[in-house]
Amino acid sequence: KAGVTQTPRYLIKTRGQQVTLSCSPISGHRSVSWYQQTPGQGLQFLFEYFSETQRNKGNFPGRFSGRQFSNSRSEMNVSTLELGDSALYLCASSKSSGEPHNEQFFGPGTRLTVL
Amino acid sequence: DAKTTQPPSMDCAEGRAANLPCNHSTISGNEYVYWYRQIHSQGPQYIIHGLKNNETNEMASLIITEDRKSSTLILPHATLRDTAVYYCIVRYSNQAGTALIFGKGTTLSVSS
Repeated sequence: KAGVTQTPRYLIKTRGQQVTLSCSPISGHRSVSWYQQTPGQGLQFLFEYFSETQRNKGNFPGRFSGRQFSNSRSEMNVSTLELGDSALYLCASSKSSGEPHNEQFFGPGTRLTVL
Repeated sequence: DAKTTQPPSMDCAEGRAANLPCNHSTISGNEYVYWYRQIHSQGPQYIIHGLKNNETNEMASLIITEDRKSSTLILPHATLRDTAVYYCIVRYSNQAGTALIFGKGTTLSVSS
């Protein structure tokens, strides 16, 4: 069974640009969550999508947005990039949302560098 | 904010049991304890979770105290590949969503 896949794996952008990251969940999983990991702040929750609807949102500015498609694949967009957006962006999928026995499975991440 | 407290680092000899403690003194009755680990620059890997009973799977055992204010993750025979950051997470079971709130975790170093 294929795991969570994220594309691209590495990305270099300059300040002010925008970027779109993609995540394909495990087959049959309907929930996709996004996390940002930086050395200073650690792993932080961005948002979760379930059945094409945003279920939960972390404390990030509106420059960070996402969406989910009918096949459960998800994209995350960051507009007007800042140097501080350089991070490892992780996607995680789970079968459902908000249930106790609902472990999340993480992808390998996209390493974004903003110059 | 994370609701757990873990030691920043621990060492373990290869082949010995690694016991990683976690304090979650404010845990509520319907909150689960989850453990994940992250090997350098990879995505976190699910290990185990539990509510009040001890749990065991092919990777590890989870021991939760009777008052549920602390737990211990046990890797019975640590190998070099178990060197990673281990995260203990308390997750509310009925929240509108599935956000995991990570703390700083414990860096486990296994040496030969």
